[in-house]
Amino acid sequence: GAVVSQHPSRVICKSGTSVKIECRSLDFQATTMFWYRQFPKQSLMLMATSNEGSKATYEQGVEKDKFLINHASLTLSTLTVTSAHPEDSSFYICSARDRIGPRRVYGYTFGSGTRLTVV
Amino acid sequence: AQTVTQSQPEMSVQEAETVTLSCTYDTSESDYYLFWYKQPPSRQMILVIRQEAYKQQNATENRFSVNFQKAAKSFSLKISDSQLGDAAMYFCAYNNNDMRFGAGTRLTVKP
Repeated sequence: GAVVSQHPSRVICKSGTSVKIECRSLDFQATTMFWYRQFPKQSLMLMATSNEGSKATYEQGVEKDKFLINHASLTLSTLTVTSAHPEDSSFYICSARDRIGPRRVYGYTFGSGTRLTVV
Repeated sequence: AQTVTQSQPEMSVQEAETVTLSCTYDTSESDYYLFWYKQPPSRQMILVIRQEAYKQQNATENRFSVNFQKAAKSFSLKISDSQLGDAAMYFCAYNNNDMRFGAGTRLTVKP
């Protein structure tokens, strides 16, 4: 089945530095990828939709200058948390969309997530 | 905007028994998809079952089945013959162009 690789799984960084998280579709081409943020014991909140070759679409309230998304190829999307602060500490999950049938039938495969801690 | 509501923060079931998790959603669209995902402590999202809104027949996957009521915008998940490994967070999700999740239900399975 479809596999999405997300790296790193855990990262600790100092306040003020930037962190890049990678999301790769290993055996399929994903024209669209999604980035979610999940706080402890809460649901997944959609941050942005990433389309290959175009600018990401951010959800209301998500700072596009802080959370930079790049989707330069059909198999790779990256999320860069710039000038990270402790309040950015969270669990970040990516999801890649793959067409699996006719009539706009898509499959969604999730990465294993990245736990970001900003100290 | 589409919203997904899971009104049961926690549920508990005895091993081998049946449990139903509730989900309602709000949309003005007629063509969409609904999902149930399981998130164990590893936090990996695992697809449990999917329903296409244009299909009237309820989806089933082994011990998992749904009760899809399109007019009522309800999409409940039934887990039969519950197993210890079913213990996890369960998220209901609505999908049109993107995927939106409910708040989740934590399922405990008692031996």
